[in-house]
Amino acid sequence: DVKVTQSSRYLVKRTGEKVFLECVQDMDHENMFWYRQDPGLGLRLIYFSYDVKMKEKGDIPEGYSVSREKKERFSLILESASTNQTSMYLCASSFTALNTEAFFGQGTRLTVV
Amino acid sequence: GESVGLHLPTLSVQEGDNSIINCAYSNSASDYFIWYKQESGKGPQFIIDIRSNMDKRQGQRVTVLLNKTVKHLSLQIAATQPGDSAVYFCAEKLRDDYKLSFGAGTTVTVRA
Repeated sequence: DVKVTQSSRYLVKRTGEKVFLECVQDMDHENMFWYRQDPGLGLRLIYFSYDVKMKEKGDIPEGYSVSREKKERFSLILESASTNQTSMYLCASSFTALNTEAFFGQGTRLTVV
Repeated sequence: GESVGLHLPTLSVQEGDNSIINCAYSNSASDYFIWYKQESGKGPQFIIDIRSNMDKRQGQRVTVLLNKTVKHLSLQIAATQPGDSAVYFCAEKLRDDYKLSFGAGTTVTVRA
């Protein structure tokens, strides 16, 4: 089974802190994604990566950056956390661009106070 | 901008009945339409997809229907079970695009 693991289930951070969310997948997938999930808004794509060191902005990249130094690991960085970044963050991976099936981690519930 | 959306945010279904979850889309260029299920405390999980050149596709207890004329997508679940209680998302994808665009989700509650 494909496994996508997010490093934390719950995080509480202070406004202005730099926050790192880590994601690891174990199936040698090319593509990795970071989404945020908010009630009534569904899943919105923040960033994605189709190869090591490659990244593309999604629909809501402002206030975020990403890092993919190794194929299996994709990190989301909040440069200076703000309260409007309180959300559920979901990492996902997929094999190729043609795949409709993405495999998701369990999510990280981030609260910024 | 174009988006994928669901008709109703919540749906309550009697156990054993059939469920129909609806979704409207506006991007006629999308090549794939997909349904995901998210159980409480878990990430979304792929259920089924349908390509734009098809009208219907069946899986295990699920059927997806695509009506391109009215840009409507539906997921039918036969003999709904308590384990079907979840949030269901429709999503769309362009042929050579990495990105999945998700709708807001419908919360399905199965009554015993």
